Amino acid sequence: GENVEQHPSTLSVQEGDSAVIKCTYSDSASNYFPWYKQELGKRPQLIIDIRSNVGEKKDQRIAVTLNKTAKHFSLHITETQPEDSAVYFCAARGANAGNMLTFGGGTRLMVKP
Amino acid sequence: EADIYQTPRYLVIGTGKKITLECSQTMGHDKMYWYQQDPGMELHLIHYSYGVNSTEKGDLSSESTVSRIRTEHFPLTLESARPSHTSQYLCASRRDSLYEQYFGPGTRLTVT
Repeated sequence: GENVEQHPSTLSVQEGDSAVIKCTYSDSASNYFPWYKQELGKRPQLIIDIRSNVGEKKDQRIAVTLNKTAKHFSLHITETQPEDSAVYFCAARGANAGNMLTFGGGTRLMVKP
Repeated sequence: EADIYQTPRYLVIGTGKKITLECSQTMGHDKMYWYQQDPGMELHLIHYSYGVNSTEKGDLSSESTVSRIRTEHFPLTLESARPSHTSQYLCASRRDSLYEQYFGPGTRLTVT
C-alpha cells in the first residue's frame, strides 16, 4: 500500500520567514495530494491540494509543489504569521482499494512573533 | 449549513461500558471514514464506508464496529470500552466524484 513520509516533525520559524514542509510517497499511481492544517483542539482543515497533472499550485501565502518523478511534494508558506502555528499533515490518495488518503506523520509548525 | 457533525464532543466513561459515537453529514457525501488520533499526532484510519450497507476495516486494528444504514449517518460503537481506547475519534466524508475530504470536529474519549 501507499506510504507517506513527512519532514520535519517540528519546525520553528520567526514571524515573516518562510516555512517548507516536505513529503514523499511510495505509490507512483497516486494522483491527489492534499494538505491539512490542524490547530490545537480543532478538526483538520483542508488548506490546499494538488492533482498529479499539475506541478504547482498557489493560494495567497501558501503554495504546493509536486515532483512526480521523485515522488515528493512540498508545502511552502511565505510571510509566516503567528496564526500559522499548527500541525500540518500531508496526504496522498493512491490506487488502493477505496482510494483512501494515506497521511504523513504531521509537522508541528511554531511561528515566533 | 452543510457540515459534518459529531456527538458527543467529549465523553468520559468507565471501563467495560458500551458506547456509540455519532457522526452525521448533511453534504450528501457517499464515502465516510473514521480516524483515531492522539492529540496532534498521526491520523489512523479505523473504518470506512463506500455507501449504504458498505463497511470496511481500515489500516489500524480496532475493537470498534460501524454501521451505515443511512447515507448521512455513520456511527461507531465500542462494545466494551478500555483505557487503551482513550483518544480522539474523527469522522470524515467526501463525495465519490470529488477529491476533497472533510473532517468533523471530533469526539475526545477518555476511558477511566
